[in-house]
Amino acid sequence: DAKTTQPPSMDCAEGRAANLPCNHSTISGNEYVYWYRQIHSQGPQYIIHGLKNNETNEMASLIITEDRKSSTLILPHATLRDTAVYYCIVEPLLADYKLSFGAGTTVTVRA
Amino acid sequence: DVKVTQSSRYLVKRTGEKVFLECVQDMDHENMFWYRQDPGLGLRLIYFSYDVKMKEKGDIPEGYSVSREKKERFSLILESASTNQTSMYLCASSFTYGEPKYEQYFGPGTRLTVT
Repeated sequence: DAKTTQPPSMDCAEGRAANLPCNHSTISGNEYVYWYRQIHSQGPQYIIHGLKNNETNEMASLIITEDRKSSTLILPHATLRDTAVYYCIVEPLLADYKLSFGAGTTVTVRA
Repeated sequence: DVKVTQSSRYLVKRTGEKVFLECVQDMDHENMFWYRQDPGLGLRLIYFSYDVKMKEKGDIPEGYSVSREKKERFSLILESASTNQTSMYLCASSFTYGEPKYEQYFGPGTRLTVT
């Protein structure tokens, strides 16, 4: 499985866009990029996923580079409630269902 | 919105007690999962179920059993609780068909303390 690398922490101002990078240089052609987040003392929350094209939903946008070796999760207007640990994972389509997270990025949104 | 609920947010049990953790999802998902999450060890899969009465062991099934009598409900049972089972327990659910397999929806978690 491809491994991911994320910065351990980042700060963001409330109301500004938060851009969270993720490197996955060994990703293979059938592997998807998924993003989850976990707010303190809560269960993980699915955010978005993508394969090749950029994706957007009501929570965030996912930008995947053309070579697919890295991606960026964009929270367009960060709020204090977006303070959480954000996890980027890559998984193949036909793998088992087992989720596992790395260390993730601790994002702190400041007023 | 998908909703996954767990029977308790906090639970304190004594060593040797039988413990039941219940999870209910309202999205007609085929798959349901039980994970535990511990600092430094991350998320670990205990059991998952891909259909009613069907179950598969995850990475750490020892000391646990599960029950799925109805599609929306998945129970985790600690047969004889031990202190090393003190943890955050997370239930999740997902669809089977189509992709993506890793779009899982989690409950709020149960923080279990065994004394």
